[in-house]
Amino acid sequence: EIVLTQFPGTLSLSPGERATLSCRASQSVSSDYLAWYQQKPGQAPRLLIYATSSRATGIPDRFSGSGSGTDFTLTVSRLEPEDFAVYYCQQYGSSLWTFGQGTKVEIK
Amino acid sequence: QVQLQESGPGLVKTSETLSLTCTVSGGSISSYYWTWIRQPPGKGVEWIGYVYFSGSTSYSPSLKSRLTMSVDTSKNQFSLKVSSVTAADTAVYYCARANYLHGVEVWGRGITVTVSS
Repeated sequence: EIVLTQFPGTLSLSPGERATLSCRASQSVSSDYLAWYQQKPGQAPRLLIYATSSRATGIPDRFSGSGSGTDFTLTVSRLEPEDFAVYYCQQYGSSLWTFGQGTKVEIK
Repeated sequence: QVQLQESGPGLVKTSETLSLTCTVSGGSISSYYWTWIRQPPGKGVEWIGYVYFSGSTSYSPSLKSRLTMSVDTSKNQFSLKVSSVTAADTAVYYCARANYLHGVEVWGRGITVTVSS
């Protein structure tokens, strides 16, 4: 089973700033099948990025994903008020899928 | 637009079996990985497993011995059973649709299940 470690655990930033979230896998993620999700309180997670760098339908282009192998990054170029939330990475390159523990992006 | 709705009891007694159903509307149950994910109170999300439309399954190793997932294509539903539950199984349970390119692309709203004696 691939273990995903996200860091930092919490990111304190102001609106307009750039957010960089990291996700490290315990072994290489096959085909770079790594996704990012956003979750707001009381809501189900929402798919932002799939296959490392492809934006899901309707996701603004301030969200971008990059990486390969074991190291992946989600970048939010300029934080909007609605972007403050918890973000999870997930690998689905093997038959056993796993999520990271999450990074909370909070208002500074 | 496809929608998913979880249903089942909100309270399950310790040592009994938790049973949930997810109804798929607005789309076919074919050709996807029908997935269950849970989130304990105040914690992160945890992948439980999936059932492919053909009936094949993949389960989280930590839960595998207690899990059964199935799909009913005639009813456009899929289901989850977790046996011998404890308080640690208390969580919001989400059903979701995934495919192998996009990951988990559609989520249900979630159902809160509490395990208590």
